[in-house]
Amino acid sequence: GEQVEQRPPHLSVREGDSAVITCTYTDPNSYYFFWYKQEPGASLQLLMKVFSSTEINEGQGFTVLLNKKDKRLSLNLTAAHPGDSAAYFCAVSASNYQLIWGSGTKLIIKP
Amino acid sequence: EAAVTQSPRSKVAVTGGKVTLSCHQTNNHDYMYWYRQDTGHGLRLIHYSYVADSTEKGDIPDGYKASRPSQENFSLILELASLSQTAVYFCASSDGTGVTGQLYFGEGSKLTVL
Repeated sequence: GEQVEQRPPHLSVREGDSAVITCTYTDPNSYYFFWYKQEPGASLQLLMKVFSSTEINEGQGFTVLLNKKDKRLSLNLTAAHPGDSAAYFCAVSASNYQLIWGSGTKLIIKP
Repeated sequence: EAAVTQSPRSKVAVTGGKVTLSCHQTNNHDYMYWYRQDTGHGLRLIHYSYVADSTEKGDIPDGYKASRPSQENFSLILELASLSQTAVYFCASSDGTGVTGQLYFGEGSKLTVL
């Protein structure tokens, strides 16, 4: 079946530095892409979403880039702060109208 | 604000026992979902529902049943709990198919089967 590979599984950066999390997917008919944030001990909350008709979305200090040719979705954090420490999950729509989830990235921001 | 509440938040069950996880939403959403989360893995869809009194199988339905008695309530039932079902379970709702719109998640239910 269709898959989503998310890398890296763990990422540690210093406050003020940048960070990049990448998801590659296989379904050529994926059209909707999401990033969810899960703070420790908490539930998942939508961080950003992008549709294949757009390739860039910005907000909350993050930029989402979509490369449809390479089937790659990335979450870019330009200036990390402690509140960004969390697990991040990508989710990609599949042809069967369900979401396929990445395995998650645990991001730690060091002071 | 959107609200999805799960109960219990944590449960220890014995192998072969019955477990019921409950979910209640006040979002007036048609779609509800049950996911499980295992360490190092993404979410996997167990069951979902888009209308009361009807449920659909997700990607990993074996060993689980679901019940949607009303728009607001969606339960996940483990008739014979097994060790492999130890995980964190998340309920979610959405006003669309979940593919086009936002999912609103509950706080999660940590299930430990001994």
